[in-house]
Amino acid sequence: KQEVTQIPAALSVPEGENLVLNCSFTDSAIYNLQWFRQDPGKGLTSLLLIQSSQREQTSGRLNASLDKSSGRSTLYIAASQPGDSATYLCAVIGIQGAQKLVFGQGTRLTINP
Amino acid sequence: DTEVTQTPKHLVMGMTNKKSLKCEQHMGHRAMYWYKQKAKKPPELMFVYSYEKLSINESVPSRFSPECPNSSLLNLHLHALQPEDSALYLCASSQGLRFSYNEQFFGPGTRLTVL
Repeated sequence: KQEVTQIPAALSVPEGENLVLNCSFTDSAIYNLQWFRQDPGKGLTSLLLIQSSQREQTSGRLNASLDKSSGRSTLYIAASQPGDSATYLCAVIGIQGAQKLVFGQGTRLTINP
Repeated sequence: DTEVTQTPKHLVMGMTNKKSLKCEQHMGHRAMYWYKQKAKKPPELMFVYSYEKLSINESVPSRFSPECPNSSLLNLHLHALQPEDSALYLCASSQGLRFSYNEQFFGPGTRLTVL
């Protein structure tokens, strides 16, 4: 059974810092990995999707990497801003069984002005 | 346009009421999903529709009844709910179920309170 873990559960950093969020998964047989952000009480916003054959994806100040063999992904946020404060979730879709997203518990990020 | 819309934004209902949640997308996606999310937890999958047919039911109680009238619309009919069903209900869509590039796009959610 696929399990996804995100560490740390919460992170607080001063504005302007570069930071890395971590995601690990137990079964490397995945179709893709997706990073989301969620503001309190809101829906999920898709940030980046990395297919299993890719190593990284970039969008603006965000860069996500995927090391499928070790079951790890990182989300790098450059020059953090207070508006980046949110909960960040990673999720994978496995090749085996039903095609559904398996989520981590999320990292709650706070950027202090 | 990568928008999924959901109505209503908020819903308060009694345990004997019948209500429906609605979801709509115009991205030509053929897979649509219902998720339930409790506070400080990740979303939990409830149902998946693929080409307007129910593909996955995650053992959801029968008081939740999904419906997919056409490829753009997804409903969730609610009846005889319990207070513990209070949660944020999220709808999502994707191109399909059998694509490696299967990015899911989520709506803003319906905040449901059962009294």
